[in-house]
Amino acid sequence: DTEVTQTPKHLVMGMTNKKSLKCEQHMGHRAMYWYKQKAKKPPELMFVYSYEKLSINESVPSRFSPECPNSSLLNLHLHALQPEDSALYLCASSLPPGGAMTDTQYFGPGTRLTVL
Amino acid sequence: AQKITQTQPGMFVQEKEAVTLDCTYDTSDPSYGLFWYKQPSSGEMIFLIYQGSYDQQNATEGRYSLNFQKARKSANLVISASQLGDSAMYFCAMRGHNTNAGKSTFGDGTTLTVKP
Repeated sequence: DTEVTQTPKHLVMGMTNKKSLKCEQHMGHRAMYWYKQKAKKPPELMFVYSYEKLSINESVPSRFSPECPNSSLLNLHLHALQPEDSALYLCASSLPPGGAMTDTQYFGPGTRLTVL
Repeated sequence: AQKITQTQPGMFVQEKEAVTLDCTYDTSDPSYGLFWYKQPSSGEMIFLIYQGSYDQQNATEGRYSLNFQKARKSANLVISASQLGDSAMYFCAMRGHNTNAGKSTFGDGTTLTVKP
C-alpha cells in the first residue's frame, strides 16, 4: 500500500487564524516531507523529517511550524499566514534520506489552502 | 548543483497514440536517480517510473517507459497508447547520491492533453 493521506482537502483561513494540516502514512517510511506548490509550478521543498527529527528547513517563515509526533504522522501548524501563502500543500514520505538514491517519494493528495 | 529541464510546457496527443515527454538533466553527482511523476488536476503527485544512473536497461512500467540516454543526459518519458485519463501535468525529477538528504530537484513540468 503506497498511500499517504492528508487532511483537510481544502482549507480557507483568515490571516489571524491558527490551523493545522495533517499527514499520515503507514508504509514504514522514516522520512516525511512538506512541499508548497503554486499553480502550474513544481513543488518547493519546505521541511524534511528523518526519524522524527527535523533534518531540513528550507528557510521557511516561522508562521509555518512543522511537527512530527511519531513515525507515521506529520503536522504543519499555520499561524498568521499571508494571502501569498495560498497554495497546494503536499506531504510526501520515503525511506530515510541519505540511503539509496532509489528511494521514491510518495505523495499525498494535498491540501488546497486559501488565505483571505 | 542539479538542474532538470523540461522544454515542452504543453503537449497534445491523439487518444491511442504514443507520446514522448522530454527531460534533460545536469548534475555533478556520479550516481543519481531519475523519477517521473504525474499530477492530475486533482493535485495528487503520482509516482510513475524510476531510472537509476547505473541501470543498464531502460525502465518500463506498464504503458510507461523511460528512454534513458546517459551520454546526452536525457530521460524522456514515453507513454504508449494514450488514454484520456493521461491528461495531466508531468514532472521529471532527480536525486543525486551526494545531494543533501531528501532533496529532489524537479523540472517545471509538461502539461499533456489527450484528445479524443
